[in-house]
Amino acid sequence: KQEVTQIPAALSVPEGENLVLNCSFTDSAIYNLQWFRQDPGKGLTSLLLIQSSQREQTSGRLNASLDKSSGRSTLYIAASQPGDSATYLCAVRDFGNEKLTFGTGTRLTIIP
Amino acid sequence: SQTIHQWPATLVQPVGSPLSLECTVEGTSNPNLYWYRQAAGRGLQLLFYSVGIGQISSEVPQNLSASRPQDRQFILSSKKLLLSDSGFYLCAWERTGEAFFGQGTRLTVV
Repeated sequence: KQEVTQIPAALSVPEGENLVLNCSFTDSAIYNLQWFRQDPGKGLTSLLLIQSSQREQTSGRLNASLDKSSGRSTLYIAASQPGDSATYLCAVRDFGNEKLTFGTGTRLTIIP
Repeated sequence: SQTIHQWPATLVQPVGSPLSLECTVEGTSNPNLYWYRQAAGRGLQLLFYSVGIGQISSEVPQNLSASRPQDRQFILSSKKLLLSDSGFYLCAWERTGEAFFGQGTRLTVV
C-alpha cells in the first residue's frame, strides 16, 4: 500500500528566502506525482504535475523534482513571498490506479 | 477550459437530517470523478470515485453514498447525518492524469 509522507509538518521562513519542501513515498511504481497548494478554507490548486518518466517540472518560481528510485520529490520555491503562505500537499498516482494518495501536507508561513 | 463547480460552500445541518452535495464539471467529457473529505488537522480521505456514469467505487464504509447520474455530475448523499460527518468535502476530476479540485463544502453537523 502506497504511503506518502511530508516533513516538516510546518515551516516558517523570512520573505525572500529560497526553500525546499519534501515529499517521500514508499512504492516507486508511480504513474505521476502532483503538487498542490491549499489556502485556508479553500480547495486544492494544482501547482505542478510530474510524470514518472520526468525528472523535474518548472512553473515560474516553482520547481518540482522527482527521484523515483529513492521515493522522493521536492518542491523548490525561489524568492519566497508572503503570498506563498499556504499548505502544500503532494500526491502520487500508482500505475493502474485511478486514485491519488496524499501526504498530510506542509504548512508554509512566509514572514514579511 | 475546464471548470468544476461544487455547492454549497457552507452547510449547517442537524443530526439525522439528509444531505446532498453536488459537483459538476464543464469543458471535458468522461472524466474520473472523486469525493474526498478533509477533517480538521488531517489529510484527505478518499470517499468515492467514479470512472463512468453509474459506476461508483466506495473507499470507506460509512453512512454516505455517491451517485453519478450524468457524465459530468457527481452527487454525495446521506439519508441521516451523524456528528462525525462534519468536515470539509472536496470534489475533484481527472482525465489525463492531472487532478483538479473544487472549492469545497464546509459541512457542520449540529
